[in-house]
Amino acid sequence: GEDVEQSLFLSVREGDSSVINCTYTDSSSTYLYWYKQEPGAGLQLLTYIFSNMDMKQDQRLTVLLNKKDKHLSLRIADTQTGDSAIYFCAERNQAGTALIFGKGTTLSVSS
Amino acid sequence: GAVVSQHPSRVICKSGTSVKIECRSLDFQATTMFWYRQFPKKSLMLMATSNEGSKATYEQGVEKDKFLINHASLTLSTLTVTSAHPEDSSFYICSASNTGELFFGEGSRLTVL
Repeated sequence: GEDVEQSLFLSVREGDSSVINCTYTDSSSTYLYWYKQEPGAGLQLLTYIFSNMDMKQDQRLTVLLNKKDKHLSLRIADTQTGDSAIYFCAERNQAGTALIFGKGTTLSVSS
Repeated sequence: GAVVSQHPSRVICKSGTSVKIECRSLDFQATTMFWYRQFPKKSLMLMATSNEGSKATYEQGVEKDKFLINHASLTLSTLTVTSAHPEDSSFYICSASNTGELFFGEGSRLTVL
């Protein structure tokens, strides 16, 4: 079945860039997503990328997709303390009707 | 953007009782809603897909009789945790699909004493 893996923790200093990595198993995934979860809150969609794209940039966020290696990354430029949160990578399931999530990467930003 | 509302946001119950969590799409109709469970170590697990007017589709390992799902209308799905036990304590999140995009509720934290 589908599976999504990501590292659990990342710590960076304010102003540095953060790179959160994710690997997935389903090569037929058409969309891949990045979600942000702040403490006690629901999931917020940050960005998504269609599988025929290699890169997508949205302000401070850059998503890179290596479809051959099934590797997805999220780069946050000029990381701020407000970016501290858990970031989830997700792919659509084979039926295309739901999202399969990784365990989440906790990003800690120190000033 | 589309809004999905969950209620209650937090509930505490005694072991052995049943708890119902509601998921509503406030400004769109959702033929499909999804229920997720977030475990203490953060992983988010798809529990079931709720289809309006028909039975829910449960993921492997999820007990149908334990987690009853009812999708009575195009804007409401309910998850009932029956005979709750402390190990059912968790953060339950629903999502609803509108033209392909998924919108999430704020989640419901269940604590079973």
